[in-house]
Amino acid sequence: GESVGLHLPTLSVQEGDNSIINCAYSNSASDYFIWYKQESGKGPQFIIDIRSNMDKRQGQRVTVLLNKTVKHLSLQIAATQPGDSAVYFCAENILYNTDKLIFGTGTRLQVFP
Amino acid sequence: GAVVSQHPSWVICKSGTSVKIECRSLDFQATTMFWYRQFPKQSLMLMATSNEGSKATYEQGVEKDKFLINHASLTLSTLTVTSAHPEDSSFYICSADKTGSYEQYFGPGTRLTVT
Repeated sequence: GESVGLHLPTLSVQEGDNSIINCAYSNSASDYFIWYKQESGKGPQFIIDIRSNMDKRQGQRVTVLLNKTVKHLSLQIAATQPGDSAVYFCAENILYNTDKLIFGTGTRLQVFP
Repeated sequence: GAVVSQHPSWVICKSGTSVKIECRSLDFQATTMFWYRQFPKQSLMLMATSNEGSKATYEQGVEKDKFLINHASLTLSTLTVTSAHPEDSSFYICSADKTGSYEQYFGPGTRLTVT
């Protein structure tokens, strides 16, 4: 849904551990979801996407899980590294209806040694 | 491929002046580009959808006369913040839809500070 949060939730993990970042989306008609990584002072960087006809998709060290029943999306990062420290956003879209992306609130991931 | 650039990367201007920000798709054509605004510690908020050769579509609450968008070619969209005020200080990010793909490619952002 529309993001109006003033404080980003933070997830702190130790280097080498797995990270799980969660996102709740608002529109049950959304059928395409994307995770973005944003480092300070930079634009969002595409990580992985998933369409609504799937419930899981894997990339390199990342996995996205989609639960349409509860409108929930998660991003799993395996063996988290210091370079993974950033803010992560989920975004939702309705393909072939609109090109507009609706961004979630975001989660700051902090990786400590 | 699929690189989007923005210029300038940062700008400081005085209250009441206008500022133009450029968004370019460097190696692909983009019929549609998007402009977002991001305040500190907040998410990206879509301001408007920029369509090549036609008028932009603005999101609710975004003043079209204040944020002028021009999409004159398939590789360039511009956002002009007119009569800027300190509350317009923000991080402005554009993205571009690659024709034939449903992925949006984001620019690096422009930091606007209005004094």
